[in-house]
Amino acid sequence: TQLLEQSPQFLSIQEGENLTVYCNSSSVFSSLQWYRQEPGEGPVLLVTVVTGGEVKKLKRLTFQFGDARKDSSLHITAAQPGDTGLYLCAGPQAGNKLTFGGGTRVLVKP
Amino acid sequence: DTGVSQNPRHKITKRGQNVTFRCDPISEHNRLYWYRQTLGQGPEFLTYFQNEAQLEKSRLLSDRFSAERPKGSFSTLEIQRTEQGDSAMYLCASSLVAGGTFGSGTRLTVV
Repeated sequence: TQLLEQSPQFLSIQEGENLTVYCNSSSVFSSLQWYRQEPGEGPVLLVTVVTGGEVKKLKRLTFQFGDARKDSSLHITAAQPGDTGLYLCAGPQAGNKLTFGGGTRVLVKP
Repeated sequence: DTGVSQNPRHKITKRGQNVTFRCDPISEHNRLYWYRQTLGQGPEFLTYFQNEAQLEKSRLLSDRFSAERPKGSFSTLEIQRTEQGDSAMYLCASSLVAGGTFGSGTRLTVV
């Protein structure tokens, strides 16, 4: 099973600051997905990156897939309290089941 | 499209009791997945179905766990003789391709 490691595990920032979350693996993934999960709810898909070097933007969120397709990052510009949550990266395995990273808990304080 | 529905949302049970959770996937999705998530961790794969066939089971799925998907529609996950270590969020996801849409999960607490 291919493993995904996320860093940091926890980020606490003030509203308006920027943050970056990293997702790394020693294995190549055909694609990587980023999810956000709020307490008591299931993960909600934010984006799928497929091509090495790909950059996708979703409003203030920028997602990048590494050239070698072994790593990915999520950058949030001018974070808002509504960005608070658990951010998860995930990659497909055989049968399209997902392997998840351990998650990064983000707290944006007003 | 009402999304993936899981019931119950919360379940508190005494150690040694059996529990059953239900997942209703998005109707046109032929794949259905069960994951388990403990506090502060990412979800871990348990098992998946393509239509009514259970194609893979994780080694996390001990003999006390059984899952079914009769007629390729809804699925149930049963845990027999629950243990405190079974306390977790049980998530169901359905898809046509990689990834999927997740339900809100069932939070199990074994006391």
